[in-house]
Amino acid sequence: SQQGEEDPQALSIQEGENATMNCSYKTSINNLQWYRQNSGRGLVHLILIRSNEREKHSGRLRVTLDTSKKSSSLLITASRAADTASYFCATENRGSTLGRLYFGRGTQLTVWP
Amino acid sequence: NAGVTQTPKFQVLKTGQSMTLQCAQDMNHEYMSWYRQDPGMGLRLIHYSVGAGITDQGEVPNGYNVSRSTTEDFPLRLLSAAPSQTSVYFCASRRLLNTGELFFGEGSRLTVL
Repeated sequence: SQQGEEDPQALSIQEGENATMNCSYKTSINNLQWYRQNSGRGLVHLILIRSNEREKHSGRLRVTLDTSKKSSSLLITASRAADTASYFCATENRGSTLGRLYFGRGTQLTVWP
Repeated sequence: NAGVTQTPKFQVLKTGQSMTLQCAQDMNHEYMSWYRQDPGMGLRLIHYSVGAGITDQGEVPNGYNVSRSTTEDFPLRLLSAAPSQTSVYFCASRRLLNTGELFFGEGSRLTVL
């Protein structure tokens, strides 16, 4: 499978705490993306990190990429109840059909007020 | 700007019936795709298209047909529905150049009895 794999499958924290989710993948990539899905809704793009980048920030989100370990992490700082959602990593694999993304199975994050 | 629009949002079919899930985007995206999402399986690619008149199979194409007669529309057809096709279906589109995010529709929940 060329899919990424998120870890953990589920994460439960209190408001104000930080949430860290990990993604591992198996092939060389052009970029890795993180998406969020609220219950019953479509996926929404959060952040993209290219293979030559090591870290990116967007608001309370911090993404790291280690291509030598074929892994990425998504950190959400100072979590809020509204951050409760499923989070998916997706890779654009080198040599794959242009435009195609491979999604992992996701991490379900629950943030308790 | 509507983005990606999917219809219907909900549909119940009997085994053997046919139907078409509609997808339209107004962002002039070359790439369009259909995913299915099942519990614990993440998103799996059914079919995709890189432009009008061009379609190709993804990971799970059996039982589904697509066509791309215009840039805007990418319908997904189930010719003879089976209970195994009970799922949530997402249409997504993106630009091919300047690789970036996928834009998702809100999903179509299909139940086959």
